[in-house]
Amino acid sequence: SQQGEEDPQALSIQEGENATMNCSYKTSINNLQWYRQNSGRGLVHLILIRSNEREKHSGRLRVTLDTSKKSSSLLITASRAADTASYFCATPGGNQFYFGTGTSLTVIP
Amino acid sequence: GAGVSQSPSNKVTEKGKDVELRCDPISGHTALYWYRQSLGQGLEFLIYFQGNSAPDKSGLPSDRFSAERTGGSVSTLTIQRTQQEDSAVYLCASSLDPGTVGTQYFGPGTRLLVL
Repeated sequence: SQQGEEDPQALSIQEGENATMNCSYKTSINNLQWYRQNSGRGLVHLILIRSNEREKHSGRLRVTLDTSKKSSSLLITASRAADTASYFCATPGGNQFYFGTGTSLTVIP
Repeated sequence: GAGVSQSPSNKVTEKGKDVELRCDPISGHTALYWYRQSLGQGLEFLIYFQGNSAPDKSGLPSDRFSAERTGGSVSTLTIQRTQQEDSAVYLCASSLDPGTVGTQYFGPGTRLLVL
């Protein structure tokens, strides 16, 4: 399967702490995307990193990509209660994206 | 501007009935995707439309599932003779870029419960 797999499955932290979640995938990709999902509804795009990029920032988000290890990480700094959600990485394959089962993040106020 | 919309938000049906789920993509987006998400799971690709090209139906789980996209805009996913295992959230996404080079914009989903 080309499916990206997130790790850990669940993460619980205190507000203000940093949260790191990882994604591993199996095939060569030209980009990798991270999405956020609240309450099992629609996903919201967070960030896209291309295969020739190693690191990308967007606000409190930092994404890294290591194509040699076929892995990516998403770091959320100074977490807030509103960051509580599920986070998915998506890797392209053919006409579709492959999504993992996600990391469920809980930020405790 | 308006995002992707889906209707209905929730649908409860009896086993064996047919259901239709609707997706209105963002205006101008030529790519449209349908996904299914079972409880606590990742997204399962169902079908992909790109402009006037033949759709990629490789993810449809059985011949009870079909989808169409009229006029390159609105899409309808139809599930015939629903089964309890069809219960899931059905998500639609659209993209300005074809294939997997761009951002997908998701609708809020339709939560389907088959009794």
